Amino acid sequence: EPEVTQTPSHQVTQMGQEVILRCVPISNHLYFYWYRQILGQKVEFLVSFYNNEISEKSEIFDDQFSVERPDGSNFTLKIRSTKLEDSAMYFCASSGGGPTEAFFGQGTRLTVV
Amino acid sequence: SQELEQSPQSLIVQEGKNLTINCTSSKTLYGLYWYKQKYGEGLIFLMMLQKGGEEKSHEKITAKLDEKKQQSSLHITASQPSHAGIYLCGADRPGTYKYIFGTGTRLKVLA
Repeated sequence: EPEVTQTPSHQVTQMGQEVILRCVPISNHLYFYWYRQILGQKVEFLVSFYNNEISEKSEIFDDQFSVERPDGSNFTLKIRSTKLEDSAMYFCASSGGGPTEAFFGQGTRLTVV
Repeated sequence: SQELEQSPQSLIVQEGKNLTINCTSSKTLYGLYWYKQKYGEGLIFLMMLQKGGEEKSHEKITAKLDEKKQQSSLHITASQPSHAGIYLCGADRPGTYKYIFGTGTRLKVLA
């Protein structure tokens, strides 16, 4: 069964460092998303991406964040200068058409120290 | 902005018991999705409901959408320890490219 895969599963980084979270969406999907979940809290939307550009982003997705689809298969989330409050589980998702029936990866747990 | 409230927040049941989790929206529901999450892990898609009155089942899990009440319910029949986890409802709105998620219901099933 096709699935969304994310790497790494866990990343520890020092405050102020840049991190890149990687995702391989399901191959024939067209819409890609990043969500995050701070431990014990809601899953929050960060950004959606379609046709090589951002479709929508939340207020959380500020200038420190960027997304890219560098090679037609990977979908990355970059955080330029991490803060302690960026510590969270980051989920990548993809769907065939709009947000309907999005499939989520297993997440990357980011810990900023 | 739309909010999704789930009830109860947590639930502990004995194996074999039935249970219901509710998800209520502050705005009109156009598409409602149920996911399951093991603590600290990814989200597993369970079901999507798009029409008022729609009901779907997968194994022992049944979900219904009541458009008038702006509510969806998830019912588990004869619960098993494997049903334990966090159940999340999600909703989308036409013209947007995102879900919002509910507050989550943490289910524990005692063997």
